Amino acid sequence: DAEITQSPRHKITETGRQVTLACHQTWNHNNMFWYRQDLGHGLRLIHYSYGVHDTNKGEVSDGYSVSRSNTEDLPLTLESAASSQTSVYFCASSKTTQETQYFGPGTRLLVL
Amino acid sequence: SQQGEEDPQALSIQEGENATMNCSYKTSINNLQWYRQNSGRGLVHLILIRSNEREKHSGRLRVTLDTSKKSSSLLITASRAADTASYFCAPSLVRAQKLVFGQGTRLTINP
Repeated sequence: DAEITQSPRHKITETGRQVTLACHQTWNHNNMFWYRQDLGHGLRLIHYSYGVHDTNKGEVSDGYSVSRSNTEDLPLTLESAASSQTSVYFCASSKTTQETQYFGPGTRLLVL
Repeated sequence: SQQGEEDPQALSIQEGENATMNCSYKTSINNLQWYRQNSGRGLVHLILIRSNEREKHSGRLRVTLDTSKKSSSLLITASRAADTASYFCAPSLVRAQKLVFGQGTRLTINP
C-alpha cells in the first residue's frame, strides 16, 4: 500500500546544529508539504513543493530549507537549530493542490 | 491570519450525543476539507465538500457548506469515545492554491 513516512520520529538536538528531517511518500504525488504544529498555533506551513526542483516558502519558512530532487522525497533542513524550532513536524503529500492531503506520522523535535 | 478558523476551540459531550463544529474562512474556495487528529498522530482526511455543494454525508459525519456566509459545519452523530480527537477544517483557497489549516476543535467524548 502507498504511504508517507517520516524519520526520525523523535529527535533531540542542540542549538546551532544542522538537522534534517526526512519525508518519503510512495503515492507518486506531485505536491509535498511541511508543517509545524505548536500549541495555540495549529498547523503552520513551512515549505511546499509542486514537483521536482520546485520549492516554495510557506508562512513560517525562516530558518528552514527544502530541496526536491525526486518525486518521493522532500527533506526539511534546519540550518542552525533554535529553541523556537522545538515542535512537532508533519509532512504531507497530495495529488493536486485541491485534493486530499495525506499526512505522515510526525517528527517530534526538541532543541536544547 | 488563519483562514480556517474553528469554533468552538474545545467541546466536551456525553457519548451518544451529537457534536457540531463550525469553521469560517475569508476568501473564495475551491473546496473545504475536514481532518481528524488523534493525540500524537498525523492528520487523517475525513471529508471534502466542493464549493458548489451544500451538504455531504459520510457515515456518521455530515458536513454543510454555506459559501455566502463563508462557513462550514461538521456534525458527528451518535458520538463514540473513539471520536475523541482534534478536528481541523482546511479551506482550499482559490488564490493560494493550497490548504490553510485552523487551530482545530478539541472534541472530548465522555463515557
